[in-house]
Amino acid sequence: QQQVKQSPQSLIVQKGGISIINCAYENTAFDYFPWYQQFPGKGPALLIAIRPDVSEKKEGRFTISFNKSAKQFSLHIMDSQPGDSATYFCAARRKDSSYKLIFGSGTRLLVRP
Amino acid sequence: GAGVSQSPSNKVTEKGKDVELRCDPISGHTALYWYRQSLGQGLEFLIYFQGNSAPDKSGLPSDRFSAERTGGSVSTLTIQRTQQEDSAVYLCASRDTGRNTIYFGEGSWLTVV
Repeated sequence: QQQVKQSPQSLIVQKGGISIINCAYENTAFDYFPWYQQFPGKGPALLIAIRPDVSEKKEGRFTISFNKSAKQFSLHIMDSQPGDSATYFCAARRKDSSYKLIFGSGTRLLVRP
Repeated sequence: GAGVSQSPSNKVTEKGKDVELRCDPISGHTALYWYRQSLGQGLEFLIYFQGNSAPDKSGLPSDRFSAERTGGSVSTLTIQRTQQEDSAVYLCASRDTGRNTIYFGEGSWLTVV
């Protein structure tokens, strides 16, 4: 069953705009929520991550907002650039020794010049 | 190299043939994961190795799939009697003990014709 739901499936943003990608999870047994960025032909790479005891984390132009009660978290990309065009995956890590990640279905972001 | 290395990068095989995919994790990383990414889909967990512990095989989709990790380093994912629905990118990832970040390789693109 899908435990992490991600939307939208695709997103087109003008250069300089804000890109927002949303995720919701269905299980409380998660303790870490990373976002991965994947360029065509490459493996996913960690972009930014947050723990559930924090409501927001910002790194440069990338911000995660986390709502524990709603079981939702989102990625905001400020001042979006064409180089940000990629597929973004949210994930949730199982709260056990495996550190296994459950991924969302991905969002394909296109930033137009 | 410093990253997770996978081979082959591309593999085209005939339906019914067996294939082996290799993963060389980051040196010293004790945890190793295999994920599968189908076209336009998220990452699906397949199997997890941690040190000398018994692997977590809970994500393997059928008994045609198996994996081993020799000497706590290199891992091989084997798919027997391949089917067209096995066509996907097979991603390997590794993690250092006690650390959060999972690092992915660039994947092995498998096409079954």
